Amino acid sequence: QKEVEQNSGPLSVPEGAIASLNCTYSDRGSQSFFWYRQYSGKSPELIMSIYSNGDKEDGRFTAQLNKASQYVSLLIRDSQPSDSATYLCAVRLRAGTALIFGKGTTLSVSS
Amino acid sequence: DADVTQTPRNRITKTGKRIMLECSQTKGHDRMYWYRQDPGLGLRLIYYSFDVKDINKGEISDGYSVSRQAQAKFSLSLESAIPNQTALYFCATSAQGQGGNEQFFGPGTRLTVL
Repeated sequence: QKEVEQNSGPLSVPEGAIASLNCTYSDRGSQSFFWYRQYSGKSPELIMSIYSNGDKEDGRFTAQLNKASQYVSLLIRDSQPSDSATYLCAVRLRAGTALIFGKGTTLSVSS
Repeated sequence: DADVTQTPRNRITKTGKRIMLECSQTKGHDRMYWYRQDPGLGLRLIYYSFDVKDINKGEISDGYSVSRQAQAKFSLSLESAIPNQTALYFCATSAQGQGGNEQFFGPGTRLTVL
C-alpha cells in the first residue's frame, strides 16, 4: 500500500510566524511532490511542486525535499490569517500514474 | 480563462437512483481524474483517464463507472447510489510531460444520498 502521511493538526501559529508542515511517503521510488491548499468547502489549489532534493522557494512558501529520508515539507513565512486552510501533500510514484494524497494538515493562523 | 467545470454543484438523491456527475475542461489537458473527499479520509482516487481510449481504476472504484466522451469531458456515474457514497466529488485534469502531474481541480460536486 503506497502511503502519504501527514499530521492532521490543527497546527496553530501566530500571525507573522513561520508555519512548518511535514509529509512522509512510503515509496522510495516516488518522483514528484506537490503541496495543495484547500479552504473549507473549496477545491484544492496547487501552491508548490518539487522534483529534486533541496529547497524550492516561491514568495513566502518554501518546499523542501529529502528523498533519502522520504519526507517533504512546506514552510510558510510571515504567516497570515488568510493562510488558515488545510494543506494537502501529494506524491506521484512514477510517470504514468496518478497522484496519491495525504489526508492533510489543518493550519490555523491567529491574528 | 481555461477552466475545469463540474455539474451539478450540489445534488440530493435517494438510495438506488442512478446519478451522473459531469466534468468539462477547457485547459486542453489530456488527463482527467475523479476523486471523492470525505472528512478525515482525504482525497481518494476513483478513476482516471490519460486519453480518450484509456480508463483506469483508482483506489475506490467499486460502485462507480466512468465515461470519457471526448478529450474535454469525463463523466462519473453511480449506477445505484447508496448513503455511504455521500461525499464531495472533485474532477481534476493534468497535461503530459514535465510537470505533467500538476493537477488542477474543478469546484466540486456535493452529493448527498438519502
